[in-house]
Amino acid sequence: AQSVAQPEDQVNVAEGNPLTVKCTYSVSGNPYLFWYVQYPNRGLQFLLKYITGDNLVKGSYGFEAEFNKSQTSFHLKKPSALVSDSALYFCAVRGDTGRRALTFGSGTRLQVQP
Amino acid sequence: DSGVTQTPKHLITATGQRVTLRCSPRSGDLSVYWYQQSLDQGLQFLIQYYNGEERAKGNILERFSAQQFPDLHSELNLSSLELGDSALYFCASRGQANTGELFFGEGSRLTVL
Repeated sequence: AQSVAQPEDQVNVAEGNPLTVKCTYSVSGNPYLFWYVQYPNRGLQFLLKYITGDNLVKGSYGFEAEFNKSQTSFHLKKPSALVSDSALYFCAVRGDTGRRALTFGSGTRLQVQP
Repeated sequence: DSGVTQTPKHLITATGQRVTLRCSPRSGDLSVYWYQQSLDQGLQFLIQYYNGEERAKGNILERFSAQQFPDLHSELNLSSLELGDSALYFCASRGQANTGELFFGEGSRLTVL
């Protein structure tokens, strides 16, 4: 079975400050890891993914994520937060074999204050 | 715009009724996934189809069923609806690459009264 934990329901950060949204995972085999963002009354938008290679992955809107195999983590980061980054963020995982459906975490609400 | 189209966007119905949600995947995508998003359960995988065939089942209730048609659009049928079925239902499609991410539609919001 595969699972994702997002330990923080909400993260608050001031505009211009760096942000981190945490994610840990459990999966059989090698992980394929994803981050999605959801704005109110919208679908999920893909931000970035890690499949293999460099542990630091860069994605859309200035976001990046760091894969740490030993800690089974895939934290989302951004050097300087914008008010417009305020949204619900989901981490997702699947293994490199077996079921291809993604398993999502419970989501973390990011609130960026002006 | 992800390229995945879902209808209807909103649906209000009564307990015991049946509804059908429709999804058109991105052009060229053969896989369709259905997810349910509710406040207490988060995003739950329901079922996956690939080129018309069921490929994987998640937490889908027996009252729910789905199919994918030859033109690759998919329908999710929800019957004997209960209050707890109120949720956002998302459809997603995936490209051919094995590592491909899912592209989500805007969702269908179902309210059961």
